Amino acid sequence: DVQLLESGGGLVQPGGSLRLSCAASGFTFSYEAMGWVRQTPGKGLEWVSTITGSGGDTYYADSVQGRFTISRDNSKNTLYLQLTSLRAQDTAVYFCAQLGTDFFAKWGQGTLVTVSS
Amino acid sequence: QSVLTQPPSVSAAPGQKVTISCSGRSSNIGENYVSWYQQFPGTAPKLLIYDNHKRPSGIPDRISGSKSGTSATLAITGLQTGDEAEYYCATFDNSLSGWVFGGGTKLTVL
Repeated sequence: DVQLLESGGGLVQPGGSLRLSCAASGFTFSYEAMGWVRQTPGKGLEWVSTITGSGGDTYYADSVQGRFTISRDNSKNTLYLQLTSLRAQDTAVYFCAQLGTDFFAKWGQGTLVTVSS
Repeated sequence: QSVLTQPPSVSAAPGQKVTISCSGRSSNIGENYVSWYQQFPGTAPKLLIYDNHKRPSGIPDRISGSKSGTSATLAITGLQTGDEAEYYCATFDNSLSGWVFGGGTKLTVL
């Protein structure tokens, strides 16, 4: 059974940094593209970033381009999202997700990032 | 404001049918597959429909999806109180070079 477990969220000041992790199990991690989607409290879903199975290609939403970095360690079955230059509007629950061909197949339970002074 | 447009809320009685619309444009729904997700408060979204109309294993056939032009529709028949949740559509947008979501629709089973 596919399991995705995020960690690393917390309270950070504006301009600060944080690294999120997503531990994956139940599937051949290196075969699958992965991504991050965030949800502002009480609001909808926003795609953040995706990465191919090999890690060779990465993609970002304009709102985070240049500030966030997605990466993966296939030897550890772990996905990462490095968040820098954080802003109040980055406050959200961050979900990691396993990608299918044209959809988000499985989602983790999410980790809350709060950017506030 | 979301790239894909969904009604904020829909409602229907138990046992009835409800449809949720998702409107986009040629660069997103018009050229790509649509997926649908169900989310209960405080939990992760769950895939309900992919490739416009396909159901993952475990999703009952009273849940269906369709697409026509630049719009997609999620239909749920035989409504149950357990269907009360938020529903989101999603697709890839070729102009934005990224994934886009609808704003979500809250389903109330009266």
